[in-house]
Amino acid sequence: EAGVVQSPRYKIIEKKQPVAFWCNPISGHNTLYWYRQNLGQGPELLIRYENEEAVDDSQLPKDRFSAERLKGVDSTLKIQPAELGDSAVYLCASSRGQISGNTIYFGEGSWLTVV
Amino acid sequence: GESVGLHLPTLSVQEGDNSIINCAYSNSASDYFIWYKQESGKGPQFIIDIRSNMDKRQGQRVTVLLNKTVKHLSLQIAATQPGDSAVYFCAENGGSNYKLTFGKGTLLTVNP
Repeated sequence: EAGVVQSPRYKIIEKKQPVAFWCNPISGHNTLYWYRQNLGQGPELLIRYENEEAVDDSQLPKDRFSAERLKGVDSTLKIQPAELGDSAVYLCASSRGQISGNTIYFGEGSWLTVV
Repeated sequence: GESVGLHLPTLSVQEGDNSIINCAYSNSASDYFIWYKQESGKGPQFIIDIRSNMDKRQGQRVTVLLNKTVKHLSLQIAATQPGDSAVYFCAENGGSNYKLTFGKGTLLTVNP
């Protein structure tokens, strides 16, 4: 089966500009995650969706970050305006449901550099 | 070794040797653990998982050991190959059915 697809793979923007990342999860996976991974660190959860509902967004910096999954399939993550500290890899992941017994599959990531 | 800031713990082994990567977890509520492999420029890839009702689980060339008493997890890779070179992360669920918390990772380098 096709894996989790993310775009763009790489993005360089100036600070204060907006940026958006897109994710297409594995077909049939109702749970979708956005993680952020800083250089040399493990991924950190930003938001989790169950179908179209954001059920855990406690780690999402809501002043500048937003996400949506309107039809319960594809998702977008937006940053507006971007700051230098937002430079990181933004990883999308999906699973069929609960993590115990359902593998979480990650995409290749969207590499953001804010200059 | 300890990781500070951007410095990952590193492990360098010779091809064909066995590798052991260690992870200390912090949340006593965690009852599910996963090891991920992340190659340069790619997303994390699932390797093996283990529930807290087990202390050992084996896969193909990999074994995960869990010591709940000291909150320690290890990943053993048998006959390490150059293709095993990557950063390895352990992740714990903190008792959640949905949320994973990742450790800092260990960089494994396999020398031919």
